[in-house]
Amino acid sequence: NAGVTQTPKFRILKIGQSMTLQCTQDMNHNYMYWYRQDPGMGLKLIYYSVGAGITDKGEVPNGYNVSRSTTEDFPLRLELAAPSQTSVYFCASSAMPGQTYEQYFGPGTRLTVT
Amino acid sequence: TQLLEQSPQFLSIQEGENLTVYCNSSSVFSSLQWYRQEPGEGPVLLVTVVTGGEVKKLKRLTFQFGDARKDSSLHITAAQPGDTGLYLCASEPLYGQNFVFGPGTRLSVLP
Repeated sequence: NAGVTQTPKFRILKIGQSMTLQCTQDMNHNYMYWYRQDPGMGLKLIYYSVGAGITDKGEVPNGYNVSRSTTEDFPLRLELAAPSQTSVYFCASSAMPGQTYEQYFGPGTRLTVT
Repeated sequence: TQLLEQSPQFLSIQEGENLTVYCNSSSVFSSLQWYRQEPGEGPVLLVTVVTGGEVKKLKRLTFQFGDARKDSSLHITAAQPGDTGLYLCASEPLYGQNFVFGPGTRLSVLP
């Protein structure tokens, strides 16, 4: 059982370049999330999805796009990379919500934009 | 958006010492989760507290939820180097799907 997997682990982009961060989960979870983690800032929610075909913005969506064509995959797209997008990106998933539910996180993608 | 504050921001202690870290909000939590994140890894859930005044123990870790459900604490007894990491609290919303995370307490336990 792999849980949540993310690729790549590391990436360096030049300003204005584009890339897609991949996220896959094998737990059949409906809910998936993308966060960014900046030093000393905790995790900020970028986008989330409640199921295939349904996505919504989180707290910091500008500069990013997502899609959810399958239950398993939730890629994050950066169209025009900017230095402010230098961060560590985490994908997470959770089962149907209830009063308590756990988010399972991937190992993260460390992105540097120069 | 509910804001979570955590204190202290950094903590460096010797192996065997006890410590407490805190998570506070100006709003009432529906419930609260504590995660630990090790370097180069994603956060891993330690515990969820739901009821005001609730106390949960996980080996040497004791989690307490304030009576008013606006604060929580994590106490570690006889800290070990393996406890080193970033401790994050997260608020679980009553409605919707958006977790809010605190900035974390970075703990270093020296052998």
